[in-house]
Amino acid sequence: DTGVSQNPRHKITKRGQNVTFRCDPISEHNRLYWYRQTLGQGPEFLTYFQNEAQLEKSRLLSDRFSAERPKGSFSTLEIQRTEQGDSAMYLCASSYAGTPTWEQYFGPGTRLTVT
Amino acid sequence: EDQVTQSPEALRLQEGESSSLNCSYTVSGLRGLFWYRQDPGKGPEFLFTLYSAGEEKEKERLKATLTKKESFLHITAPKPEDSATYLCAVHNNAGNMLTFGGGTRLMVKP
Repeated sequence: DTGVSQNPRHKITKRGQNVTFRCDPISEHNRLYWYRQTLGQGPEFLTYFQNEAQLEKSRLLSDRFSAERPKGSFSTLEIQRTEQGDSAMYLCASSYAGTPTWEQYFGPGTRLTVT
Repeated sequence: EDQVTQSPEALRLQEGESSSLNCSYTVSGLRGLFWYRQDPGKGPEFLFTLYSAGEEKEKERLKATLTKKESFLHITAPKPEDSATYLCAVHNNAGNMLTFGGGTRLMVKP
């Protein structure tokens, strides 16, 4: 069990550019979540996948954000036409639907800075 | 809408000085209440899940308790390595997401 991994760990981009982040969940976990965290705040939910299906999206997730999870394995989060307000830590978490515990395990995050 | 409020926002303790962190919540049907530890620049690390009022869980110097309206994280004889932000989150039984509080930043001085 190597834990949830995220790449890149840091990304600096100019306003208006597109960025893509990758998340590799714990191997047997079929649920995958994306959250966003700004400095001094708790994480905020963005979207949720069960296997390859995107089942829930927050209203925080504007049209510039898109997430995929092809074949129910890794996931990508793309932000188009980045804005300075997109600067945040983007966290990925995974869990296993086959247990009753509902615990979500988080990756190290990708810190995005939009200049 | 689920809401989670944590207090205090920041807490400074001397090594060995026990204290408690509070998490007040409102949720439409609690599936679970979760405590996480987060170190600067890292993702949250899972600590505990509590499912029903009266439940308690312990891990080393930490003990989490749950009532119908709040949860406490008790820290007994803390050490400097316990310094971190502690996050509380709720999971309601209708959805799939966690709703987090703003966290309590704990600083333990030697």
